[in-house]
Amino acid sequence: GESVGLHLPTLSVQEGDNSIINCAYSNSASDYFIWYKQESGKGPQFIIDIRSNMDKRQGQRVTVLLNKTVKHLSLQIAATQPGDSAVYFCAENSGGYNKLIFGAGTRLAVHP
Amino acid sequence: NAGVTQTPKFQVLKTGQSMTLQCAQDMNHEYMSWYRQDPGMGLRLIHYSVGAGITDQGEVPNGYNVSRSTTEDFPLRLLSAAPSQTSVYFCASSYVDRGVDEQFFGPGTRLTVL
Repeated sequence: GESVGLHLPTLSVQEGDNSIINCAYSNSASDYFIWYKQESGKGPQFIIDIRSNMDKRQGQRVTVLLNKTVKHLSLQIAATQPGDSAVYFCAENSGGYNKLIFGAGTRLAVHP
Repeated sequence: NAGVTQTPKFQVLKTGQSMTLQCAQDMNHEYMSWYRQDPGMGLRLIHYSVGAGITDQGEVPNGYNVSRSTTEDFPLRLLSAAPSQTSVYFCASSYVDRGVDEQFFGPGTRLTVL
């Protein structure tokens, strides 16, 4: 069936380094992708999104890359800070209110 | 704005008990939804609503009921709790023309069913 998965369950980085969190999706009909950040004890928080007609989108310190050929999505965080420590989810939407599928999440741990 | 609020934050139930998880938003969002989050899994959609009086099922609706009598509130009811319903529950809302694109999530309710 349709699924969204993540390559690494935990990612450890040094403060100041760049982080890359990866995500694979299997539904070629998905046309919208979202990255969420979830801090401990809190709900998911929208970080950045990208539509299928784009291959790159930049925000503040974050960049999302979309490779539709291999159905791969990545989130790049520049100059990672301790406050970036959280679980990051990717989600894909193939249209409709009930078509948003979330990945299981990757935990990002930032070390001083 | 308070955003999306959920009560209670924590709840322990015995098998067979019923309860209602409350969700409210003050952003005048038409779209509201309930998700559950289980360890090692992504959020899964339980029920959603695109406006007062309109609800529909998501991926995992069994064992849950919802209603939407006002724009602000979207309660989730467990009629007869089961251990399989132990989870963290999140409510979310957005403008209906944004759909699931820009959802705001509440802080969650951690439910344990014994």
